[in-house]
Amino acid sequence: IAGITQAPTSQILAAGRRMTLRCTQDMRHNAMYWYRQDLGLGLRLIHYSNTAGTTGKGEVPDGYSVSRANTDDFPLTLASAVPSQTSVYFCASSYSLTSGGNRNEQFFGPGTRLTVL
Amino acid sequence: KNEVEQSPQNLTAQEGEFITINCSYSVGISALHWLQQHPGGGIVSLFMLSSGKKKHGRLIATINIQEKHSSLHITASHPRDSAVYICAVRPISSGSARQLTFGSGTQLTVLP
Repeated sequence: IAGITQAPTSQILAAGRRMTLRCTQDMRHNAMYWYRQDLGLGLRLIHYSNTAGTTGKGEVPDGYSVSRANTDDFPLTLASAVPSQTSVYFCASSYSLTSGGNRNEQFFGPGTRLTVL
Repeated sequence: KNEVEQSPQNLTAQEGEFITINCSYSVGISALHWLQQHPGGGIVSLFMLSSGKKKHGRLIATINIQEKHSSLHITASHPRDSAVYICAVRPISSGSARQLTFGSGTQLTVLP
């Protein structure tokens, strides 16, 4: 792996089903993020993690949960999907959540296109 | 009102033209980012600024903290520059989360 990867690339899901979007980075970055991108609204932060073992809520956390068991992985779970969660989901990472300078540059995964019917 | 406003929303240019995309924000920030999203969807960080000006190849980014405004310039534009350009700010109020707030993007199309 080089950089940050996401799986699946795309998914069609029935409403009410549970779904986990996977995100893995091999850059040993401390901070990781999940965003959703919707037309006209730009990227919005769902959840973040500043280090393994800790997570925090972003702008639009309802209906989503995350875990950070180790540095590399940051899965996003939809416990019971609803059509309003149809979106493109991006995972990102940066070296450090709290330090300044270039260490806050974020690297993005390729995205997961999710459709909830 | 969005905290981050970009203009224009859409921009079509001829190859070789000088391009400017603007970003205005309404909150105190510790940094501003310019990102590029390719037609295939991938997002790449172009610049991170807290003051002054940065240059990388044909791309130049400037920021005026007092006026809460940043511009992204592309010199000698090329069709491969066609993409969505996104401005994002890190509000001082985001605290330990240091979250980014994103603009809705500018769709740039450069015609050959």
